[in-house]
Amino acid sequence: SQQGEEDPQALSIQEGENATMNCSYKTSINNLQWYRQNSGRGLVHLILIRSNEREKHSGRLRVTLDTSKKSSSLLITASRAADTASYFCATGGSSNTGKLIFGQGTTLQVKP
Amino acid sequence: GAVVSQHPSRVICKSGTSVKIECRSLDFQATTMFWYRQFPKQSLMLMATSNEGSKATYEQGVEKDKFLINHASLTLSTLTVTSAHPEDSSFYICSAIPDSPYEQYFGPGTRLTVT
Repeated sequence: SQQGEEDPQALSIQEGENATMNCSYKTSINNLQWYRQNSGRGLVHLILIRSNEREKHSGRLRVTLDTSKKSSSLLITASRAADTASYFCATGGSSNTGKLIFGQGTTLQVKP
Repeated sequence: GAVVSQHPSRVICKSGTSVKIECRSLDFQATTMFWYRQFPKQSLMLMATSNEGSKATYEQGVEKDKFLINHASLTLSTLTVTSAHPEDSSFYICSAIPDSPYEQYFGPGTRLTVT
C-alpha cells in the first residue's frame, strides 16, 4: 500500500533554479527518507530524517519534516541538468523494522 | 559503501514459465531483505519481507504461492515468479539491511517482460 502522496507529480525547471517537492504521509513514522531514481535504474539514497528532527541538510539538499502535519519537503538548490530524475519519499514505520512505504514520486526535469 | 546486486538485470520469458531473480549483498550480511515491484511511471510497492532462515512475510494482496521467496543465506534472497503472465511484467527491486534498520541498500533492479 502507498503511504501518501507527493506533489507536484511533475516539475520542470531551468538549470540554476530551486526545486521543491512535497510529501505527505498517513501513519506514525520513525524516519522519512528521500531517494532518487534515474529512468529505469535503481534507487539512490539521498537523505534520512528521523521523526525527532525538523530539518536536515546535505550539500544542495534540504529536507524538512513536520510530524504534526505529517509532511516533508525536499529542496534542491541551484539545480543541474544531472538532477533530472524521479524523487521518492519513503517512510519507515514506528516499529522500526526497516520496511519502507514509498510515496508516489515527483518527476523532475531540469532544462539546461 | 554497501553494494547490492541483482541478477539478471533483464529477462524475457514466455507466459506460463517461471523466472528466478537473485538479490545478493556483496560486502555485508543481511538478515532482512525486501522485494519491491514497480510498474512503469509508478512508485515502488513493497511485496514482501525476506528473513534469513524463516518464511517471508508478504504484504496484503501479494500471492505468496505465485511469488516464492527464499532467503537461503545471509547474502542471498531469491524471488521466483511462478507461472508468469504478461501482467507480471514489471521492474523488481530488492533491498537489504545490514545492521541498522535505518540503512537500506537497493539493488539495481530486474526488468521482467512476460510475452
